[in-house]
Amino acid sequence: NAGVTQTPKFRILKIGQSMTLQCTQDMNHNYMYWYRQDPGMGLKLIYYSVGAGITDKGEVPNGYNVSRSTTEDFPLRLELAAPSQTSVYFCASSLDRGIYGYTFGSGTRLTVV
Amino acid sequence: GQSLEQPSEVTAVEGAIVQINCTYQTSGFYGLSWYQQHDGGAPTFLSYNGLDGLEETGRFSSFLSRSDSYGYLLLQELQMKDSASYFCAVRDRTGTASKLTFGTGTRLQVTL
Repeated sequence: NAGVTQTPKFRILKIGQSMTLQCTQDMNHNYMYWYRQDPGMGLKLIYYSVGAGITDKGEVPNGYNVSRSTTEDFPLRLELAAPSQTSVYFCASSLDRGIYGYTFGSGTRLTVV
Repeated sequence: GQSLEQPSEVTAVEGAIVQINCTYQTSGFYGLSWYQQHDGGAPTFLSYNGLDGLEETGRFSSFLSRSDSYGYLLLQELQMKDSASYFCAVRDRTGTASKLTFGTGTRLQVTL
């Protein structure tokens, strides 16, 4: 099993550019999440999804969009990148609402210059 | 809103026992989780407490007291590979589904 796969691993964007961070899981998990982690800090929830076609905002959704057309995929879209979006982005999935833990992808390190 | 407090850094000697505390404030509390993250790596799940008491998994144990809004992670027989950041996370229900809110993490350094 691959688990949760994120691409790309690293990316440098210029201010105002857009990009999509890809996230795919092969565990048939209904719940998927996007978190960002700034240096030396905890993880902040951007968006989450409880199933295909259902998404909701987390703590820091501004500047981001998501879609969930299939159970497996949960891409995160950054529109008009800003330096404040420089961070490490983690995608995660869970079978239930977290009792048995989240499985995280390896992360995407994004720098906006 | 939710808030969690945990110490920023802890240092301990190899073979020793260390306790990492976590206090939280939240509404609709469901449970407390712990995650480990090595530098440059992804968080990995360690434990979950939904009820008061102690949960043991090998060298790691986690405790929860819901009346005190408090929990801790206990690491025994420390090994150098345990050097990592440890995050407590509250599972609560806001919006349409329960989800995790993470603390800022405790950096554990294990020394010889």
